[in-house]
Amino acid sequence: AAGVIQSPRHLIKEKRETATLKCYPIPRHDTVYWYQQGPGQDPQFLISFYEKMQSDKGSIPDRFSAQQFSDYHSELNMSSLELGDSALYFCASSLTTGVGWSNQPQHFGDGTRLSIL
Amino acid sequence: AQTVTQSQPEMSVQEAETVTLSCTYDTSESDYYLFWYKQPPSRQMILVIRQEAYKQQNATENRFSVNFQKAAKSFSLKISDSQLGDAAMYFCAYRSAEGGSNYKLTFGKGTLLTVNP
Repeated sequence: AAGVIQSPRHLIKEKRETATLKCYPIPRHDTVYWYQQGPGQDPQFLISFYEKMQSDKGSIPDRFSAQQFSDYHSELNMSSLELGDSALYFCASSLTTGVGWSNQPQHFGDGTRLSIL
Repeated sequence: AQTVTQSQPEMSVQEAETVTLSCTYDTSESDYYLFWYKQPPSRQMILVIRQEAYKQQNATENRFSVNFQKAAKSFSLKISDSQLGDAAMYFCAYRSAEGGSNYKLTFGKGTLLTVNP
């Protein structure tokens, strides 16, 4: 079965640079979520999109922005990168409408490991 | 806001033995889901088991089962016949199921499980 695809798997940037992370959800999933997991931490919710509209916002810095495109893939754009942005960034997708939607879990991609030098 | 607490930062178990990981949560909602995710050294987030709050019957998935105590807001994971491949970080997570709510996952801090041969 198709899974959530994230690219790139690894990304190395320097301070003050920008980065773009991409996520391709499972086909027919209508909701995409972004999470940030710092070293030794639990994943923290950043932002979500439902049918290409932002549906919820968590602890996402103003330097970060995200969007979901017409083909449902999503991108997380990060500017003025700081050392503290070094983390594993997960994208997850799920179905939140339709019959039995509430029983559907979020499926995670393998993550993008972002390292800031 | 919902909170999830995992009071055991680390646990260890002998291969083939049984281990129980604890999780408590706090919420004012009546309709929600609880999950256990496994994160091995590869850092993937793998769904282990889920529980619907309105179901009294505890969920089971092969060697994994939960003890869901809604009144006590407790959701422990039991792993039977532990295998070396079970070694991982285990996260307990909460998700609302109420209409009009956001559906982000709120994670606990995790429990690192070591399986000794």
